Amino acid sequence: SYVLTQPPSVSVAPGETASISCEGDNIGRKSVHWYQQKPGQAPVLIIYNDDDRPSGIPERFSGSRSANTATLTISRVEAADEADFYCHLRDTTSDRHIFGGGTRLTVL
Amino acid sequence: QVRLVESGGGVVQPGRSLRLSCEASGFSFRTSTMAWVRQAPGKGLEWMSLIFYDGDNKNYADSVKGRFSVFRDNSKDILYLLMNSLRHEDTAVYYCARGRGGGSFDHWGQGTLVTVSS
Repeated sequence: SYVLTQPPSVSVAPGETASISCEGDNIGRKSVHWYQQKPGQAPVLIIYNDDDRPSGIPERFSGSRSANTATLTISRVEAADEADFYCHLRDTTSDRHIFGGGTRLTVL
Repeated sequence: QVRLVESGGGVVQPGRSLRLSCEASGFSFRTSTMAWVRQAPGKGLEWMSLIFYDGDNKNYADSVKGRFSVFRDNSKDILYLLMNSLRHEDTAVYYCARGRGGGSFDHWGQGTLVTVSS
């Protein structure tokens, strides 16, 4: 079955840039979505279809994709960005939705 | 605005059944794809099921296929998840979410906690 692999944790200082990776076989051929989840809250969609932002999501959040890796980039990181981040896609081969294991972003 | 409110969670013994509901408002429920996603305590997100607008096409994760059943009532704007033969490992917060083109889930409910325990 298809697997998405994320680093368990990423740490960054305020004002710096955070990059969170999501690895999957031929992920470059699939649409990748990203969610932010703060403690005790439901996930929030922050990036869809690789690099589009829903209304209300700051431009500091951006997505990109290469052959086997999708990346969420958060520019000018703020303390309020501290959360768990998940990548997600629909595997068209199995017609199943797959989530990465999640990455905890810590703002130092 | 889009609102999704889950209910029906609680404590249930292993092997028993439980039905979750998700009441939708603020959008055209009858034309929307809907999903269930769960999160075990301290763990990540796990997709459970998807149901297309007409209720005829459904998909399930392998971990629940044959035990869980998703259905919807478009006249009442309610999504359901019927969970049978519950196991300890089904303990989780269950979220309903709205699906959009491209496969993302753009709105989520606040979740309902299901605890499977004897």
